[in-house]
This record gives sequence, C-alpha cells and structure tokens, in this order.
Amino acid sequence: KNQVEQSPQSLIILEGKNCTLQCNYTVSPFSNLRWYKQDTGRGPVSLTIMTFSENTKSNGRYTATLDADTKQSSLHITASQLSDSASYICVVSAGSGNTPLVFGKGTRLSVIA
Amino acid sequence: DTEVTQTPKHLVMGMTNKKSLKCEQHMGHRAMYWYKQKAKKPPELMFVYSYEKLSINESVPSRFSPECPNSSLLNLHLHALQPEDSALYLCASSQDALRLPYEQYFGPGTRLTVT
Repeated sequence: KNQVEQSPQSLIILEGKNCTLQCNYTVSPFSNLRWYKQDTGRGPVSLTIMTFSENTKSNGRYTATLDADTKQSSLHITASQLSDSASYICVVSAGSGNTPLVFGKGTRLSVIA
Repeated sequence: DTEVTQTPKHLVMGMTNKKSLKCEQHMGHRAMYWYKQKAKKPPELMFVYSYEKLSINESVPSRFSPECPNSSLLNLHLHALQPEDSALYLCASSQDALRLPYEQYFGPGTRLTVT
C-alpha cells in the first residue's frame, strides 16, 4: 500500500533555531517527492520538488534531502522565523508526473519568540 | 502571474441548496485539480482535468459535479450536500498532469460549511 509517514506530528521551536522534519514513504513506482508549506486555512505552497536522481535541493532557508534507497526525505529549516509556523506536508508521486499523489499527514511546526 | 484564484473564500449552504465553487489560473497550465481537505488532514484528490477533459474521478459522489469550461477555469457544482461535506476545497493547477514532475500550484481554498 502506498503510504507517506511524517514525523514528528508536531514540533515547537524557538525563533532562530534550526529544525529537521522527516518523511518516510512506501510508494511504488516512485516518481518524485515534494514538500509543501500550508498555513492554516490556506492552500499549500510548494517548497521543493525532487526526482529520483536528486539528493538535495534548497529553497532559501529550506533544504530538502532525499535518499531513494532508504525511501526517506527530510526538510531542514535554518534560522527559523515566526512566519515558518505552518504545517509541512510531504507528498510523493506514484507513477509519472503529478498523478496520483500520496500525501503525508504533515508536521505542524510552531515557532515561538 | 503564478496565482490560482478561488471564489468564494467562504460559503455556507443548506443541504437543499445548489452552489458552485470557481477556480481560475492564467499560467497557461493544462491540468487542473480539485481537492477536499478536512481539518488536520492532508488534501484528498477529487478530480483531475487534463487538457479540459476529466481524466481522474476519485470515486467522488455525484452531488459534486466538476466542469472545465476552458483551460483557465474550473468549476465545482454542489447540490444536495451533506454536513460531512464541510471542508476546505482546494483547486490546483500544473503545466501538465502526466509528464515530468511539474510544479503544482494551489489556490487559497474555499471554506465550505454545509448546514
């Protein structure tokens, strides 16, 4: 069964600190993995998208890694800001292109002053 | 313009009402999607339109009826909904739906409440 598991479920960190979110997947065939940021009540915003051959991809203070052998990905956030408070969703594409997509349940990150 | 717009932002409707959700993008994308998202849950795919043709229907009840009048517009017609249909309805678009991992852009969503 295609699944995407994220951990931790929620995380609280102090402003300025770094954090790492984890994503494990059992999706076959694997096409690509995405990380989205979703503010409460808003649509998800894409942070990174990685294919099988990519190990690391950065977008500002966000750095995603992918290990296709162990089927694990991480999202590292550097020097966190209050505006980073959101849900971070790992999404894996099974098959080609965009469909179908398997969504993780997300990690709820709260950055406090 | 990398924006997907959705209207209305909020909608409250009775179980006997008929309403429509609208989604628009002007990025030249040829794939458009409807998702349903319940609180604290990930989005669930409902429909995919590829080149204005319905390509995926994830066994969605017939009280939800999608329509793609042209490549920039996507509607979701609602009729005889149930209270459990209350959710955030997200529209998304991408350059294509089948080839390569094109970025998928989401709209802000419509918060639907069925009374």
